[in-house]
Amino acid sequence: AQTVTQSQPEMSVQEAETVTLSCTYDTSESDYYLFWYKQPPSRQMILVIRQEAYKQQNATENRFSVNFQKAAKSFSLKISDSQLGDAAMYFCAYRRMDSNYQLIWGAGTKLIIKP
Amino acid sequence: EPEVTQTPSHQVTQMGQEVILRCVPISNHLYFYWYRQILGQKVEFLVSFYNNEISEKSEIFDDQFSVERPDGSNFTLKIRSTKLEDSAMYFCASSEHSLRGGYTFGSGTRLTVV
Repeated sequence: AQTVTQSQPEMSVQEAETVTLSCTYDTSESDYYLFWYKQPPSRQMILVIRQEAYKQQNATENRFSVNFQKAAKSFSLKISDSQLGDAAMYFCAYRRMDSNYQLIWGAGTKLIIKP
Repeated sequence: EPEVTQTPSHQVTQMGQEVILRCVPISNHLYFYWYRQILGQKVEFLVSFYNNEISEKSEIFDDQFSVERPDGSNFTLKIRSTKLEDSAMYFCASSEHSLRGGYTFGSGTRLTVV
């Protein structure tokens, strides 16, 4: 069974600095999707970025980028120029392809932004 | 931008009562999901729904849970006899048919069972 591990329960970063959140996963599949979701205090789940496993190029979305290492099964999220509004829980998720695209989630990392 | 709408945003219910959580998925999406998140814990898959029937469900989704799409637009989750441990945030999500499609989540319903 697939699993997703986020080893950092909490991270803090100074405003305007860069922070990297780690995520590793375990799977025997060759094709899948990986996602980072942001959950602010309102608890809404907001998609930050996604990566297709068949693509070599790392996904980027403005200040957010990933470092996808397929062989190492690693999918880290880099946030550049951190802003106060980035403070939230960040969840890494894996999307299966064999059963209606169910998402499997990591435990989350709480990101604190220091002003 | 299209949204998934969930109502109510917060519901408090007494143990043993029935609750219905409502969701309006994005209109051209074909797959619908319910997830839940107990406070401080991982997000957990409950059920997926496609073509007017359940396509997959987790062990959590036992006989006290049911889903339906009563009118072609709403997608509901019913909990027949709520327990204290059902207190959680419940998220509805929808996705396109395409494998390349992403999920869109609603803003969630916070269910508190007292």
